[in-house]
Amino acid sequence: GQQLNQSPQSMFIQEGEDVSMNCTSSSIFNTWLWYKQDPGEGPVLLIALYKAGELTSNGRLTAQFGITRKDSFLNISASIPSDVGIYFCAGLMNTGNQFYFGTGTSLTVIP
Amino acid sequence: DAGITQSPRHKVTETGTPVTLRCHQTENHRYMYWYRQDPGHGLRLIHYSYGVKDTDKGEVSDGYSVSRSKTEDFLLTLESATSSQTSVYFCAIRGVGQGYEQYFGPGTRLTVT
Repeated sequence: GQQLNQSPQSMFIQEGEDVSMNCTSSSIFNTWLWYKQDPGEGPVLLIALYKAGELTSNGRLTAQFGITRKDSFLNISASIPSDVGIYFCAGLMNTGNQFYFGTGTSLTVIP
Repeated sequence: DAGITQSPRHKVTETGTPVTLRCHQTENHRYMYWYRQDPGHGLRLIHYSYGVKDTDKGEVSDGYSVSRSKTEDFLLTLESATSSQTSVYFCAIRGVGQGYEQYFGPGTRLTVT
């Protein structure tokens, strides 16, 4: 099945640094979602994107819907220890009911 | 909080036994999904439902069946559990906001011995 390519797979950063990650696909999506998952918990929706070129923020998080509709980006500014977790993207095609997921980016923030 | 609960949260069962996982939602959403999450594979769709008694298969549906007799409940059944079905199972609903947000339940950790 369709799987989204997410990079990087893992990141180790110092507290206060900015973080960037991205998700790419060979298919066009009309919705991009970004999630954070803590150990033992369900994924939590961070940001939803619906239009090509759209830039949406949620606190220190900013996500963008790529203009080709085949990619999306997530940035975290001024990272803090509670940002630790796994971040992953999900996409929904215009013609379907199924979401497709990236394999995740594991973020470690070093105090 | 999208009002999604899953039960049980943890279960250990033996190979060959039937297992049913329950997903319950309180907000009358039409679409409900079952996923499994395994290291190295991410989230993979097992089955989904687009209404009462309306279901469809996902990419890893073999060995699983589902039922939805009420809007609020979506059941996942492993007819005869195998060790390869040891996983964390997540239920999700699709919201009805501006677009198609998807919200997840807390998960069920299933171990098949």
